[in-house]
Amino acid sequence: AQSVTQPDIHITVSEGASLELRCNYSYGATPYLFWYVQSPGQGLQLLLKYFSGDTLVQGIKGFEAEFKRSQSSFNLRKPSVHWSDAAEYFCAVGAQRSYIPTFGRGTSLIVHP
Amino acid sequence: NAGVMQNPRHLVRRRGQEARLRCSPMKGHSHVYWYRQLPEEGLKFMVYLQKENIIDESGMPKERFSAEFPKEGPSILRIQQVVRGDSAAYFCASSPVGGDSYEQYFGPGTRLTVT
Repeated sequence: AQSVTQPDIHITVSEGASLELRCNYSYGATPYLFWYVQSPGQGLQLLLKYFSGDTLVQGIKGFEAEFKRSQSSFNLRKPSVHWSDAAEYFCAVGAQRSYIPTFGRGTSLIVHP
Repeated sequence: NAGVMQNPRHLVRRRGQEARLRCSPMKGHSHVYWYRQLPEEGLKFMVYLQKENIIDESGMPKERFSAEFPKEGPSILRIQQVVRGDSAAYFCASSPVGGDSYEQYFGPGTRLTVT
């Protein structure tokens, strides 16, 4: 069975600063990897996904993530954070041909003006 | 194209009452998934349904919880005799095909509070 670890419960950054949110996964084969964002009181929105191919994945809202097999990681990055990026971010891993992703517990991003 | 719709957005029930949560999938989607989110936790899968069929209910508690997705109308998640521990956010997602987890589109959730 797969599992996901998001080691940081809260991250605080200043507006305009760069951002990296960590995600480590455990899965025996090549996983499907996702990052979702959840704004307060809202559902989850898919930011980006990795299935295969180029290990650097571009997503919406200026986010990107890099799959590093050797480190079992899929960290999310953004070069310059905006106040509207404040939200909860979830990493998820899915097995191939599985319809159910496993979610991490989330990282709460706080953006200071 | 409307997204996944859930209602009510907020639901308050006393212990012992029944809670009914509704989910209307995106147009053209025939697969529905229900998840539960407890405070400061990620989403936990509960059940996966297609029209008139339960495909996977491995995440559903064995008692008091049931789900359906009838031929006509929304999917319903039903919780009988609610207890305080049922207080959570319940999210529905839909997808156009089954067998691939990457095209799930989430609704805004129903926040259930049991008093």
